[in-house]
Amino acid sequence: GQQLNQSPQSMFIQEGEDVSMNCTSSSIFNTWLWYKQDPGEGPVLLIALYKAGELTSNGRLTAQFGITRKDSFLNISASIPSDVGIYFCAGQPLYNNDMRFGAGTRLTVKP
Amino acid sequence: DAGITQSPRHKVTETGTPVTLRCHQTENHRYMYWYRQDPGHGLRLIHYSYGVKDTDKGEVSDGYSVSRSKTEDFLLTLESATSSQTSVYFCAISEVQPSPVYGYTFGSGTRLTVV
Repeated sequence: GQQLNQSPQSMFIQEGEDVSMNCTSSSIFNTWLWYKQDPGEGPVLLIALYKAGELTSNGRLTAQFGITRKDSFLNISASIPSDVGIYFCAGQPLYNNDMRFGAGTRLTVKP
Repeated sequence: DAGITQSPRHKVTETGTPVTLRCHQTENHRYMYWYRQDPGHGLRLIHYSYGVKDTDKGEVSDGYSVSRSKTEDFLLTLESATSSQTSVYFCAISEVQPSPVYGYTFGSGTRLTVV
């Protein structure tokens, strides 16, 4: 199946720093979603993207749907301790109703 | 919260025993999913349901079965648990497969340990 490659696997940053993570695929995707998972909880949807080139913000979070439709990135500006968690990208392939997930980026924010 | 609950939240079981995990939703959503989450693999689809008594396999369905006798309940059964099935299991729901607006709504997970 179409696999998603998410990087980096983990990040250790200082509070106030900006964060960038991305997701790539060898296949074209219709939809890109970004989720955040807090410890002991299920993933929660942060941002959804539906068109190539689309740039969408949600507070300090900004995500973009790549022009080639094979990648997406998520930026977090001015990180705070509550940003800690695992961030997952997810995408719906072009000719498929499945949702595929990346392996996640574990973010640690030091106060 | 979206009205999706999983039970139990934690379970330890012995190899070879049957285990059933339950997902209950109050949203009347048509689609329900079972995922497992393992380090380095993210979330992988086990089985999903597109209606009462309508289910299909995901990418890691071996060793698992599901049943959906009511809209609100989706059960995942490990007929004979193995150590490789130690994982965190998440149930998810969506109104549309997959919902173009809201994605999936996930439960809080069940941590299963097979010893």
